[in-house]
Amino acid sequence: DQQVKQNSPSLSVQEGRISILNCDYTNSMFDYFLWYKKYPAEGPTFLISISSIKDKNEDGRFTVFLNKSAKHLSLHIVPSQPGDSAVYFCAASAQAGTALIFGKGTTLSVSS
Amino acid sequence: EAEVAQSPRYKITEKSQAVAFWCDPISGHATLYWYRQILGQGPELLVQFQDESVVDDSQLPKDRFSAERLKGVDSTLKIQPAELGDSAMYLCASSIGADLRETQYFGPGTRLLVL
Repeated sequence: DQQVKQNSPSLSVQEGRISILNCDYTNSMFDYFLWYKKYPAEGPTFLISISSIKDKNEDGRFTVFLNKSAKHLSLHIVPSQPGDSAVYFCAASAQAGTALIFGKGTTLSVSS
Repeated sequence: EAEVAQSPRYKITEKSQAVAFWCDPISGHATLYWYRQILGQGPELLVQFQDESVVDDSQLPKDRFSAERLKGVDSTLKIQPAELGDSAMYLCASSIGADLRETQYFGPGTRLLVL
């Protein structure tokens, strides 16, 4: 049973437009959420995180929104750039210190 | 910039053979993780070390997988015997401390193909 779900395997966006990547979770014990970006032949790289006490966290072009009641978070990239083309993983952890749980990833393609 | 080193980058082996992967975390990072990423899936934790001690190996198939971090620095993950289903990317990550909220830095991974 998948606890972290990224239901869109891929997303295509034009340069300069907004990219919105979605993630749903089922475990109500999750209280910390992260996004990682992965380029081919490289390991995942930390992008941005959010604690459950917040509903928004912003870092430059990247903003993560958390809707606890819906068990949903999203990553917004504005404006999107061709260099943002990568696989984006959503991950979650519970306060009890259980392992970081990753989604299957969404492949973002930004065309110029 | 400090990075997590892994070797080899690619490994092809036949089933029933033994394979070993090596990871050197960022200097000073006490916590080391081994993940397995099957194609089309997200990384899944196999084992977590805090210094030389295993913190979590609940998802490690202990009948064939073993991991060690003898001096609390670099680590080796071994599979013996390898099975076809073990074909995957094996990722090593490290963080300064054990809190899962601390950023984990990943290495480039070892891609294993079992024939």
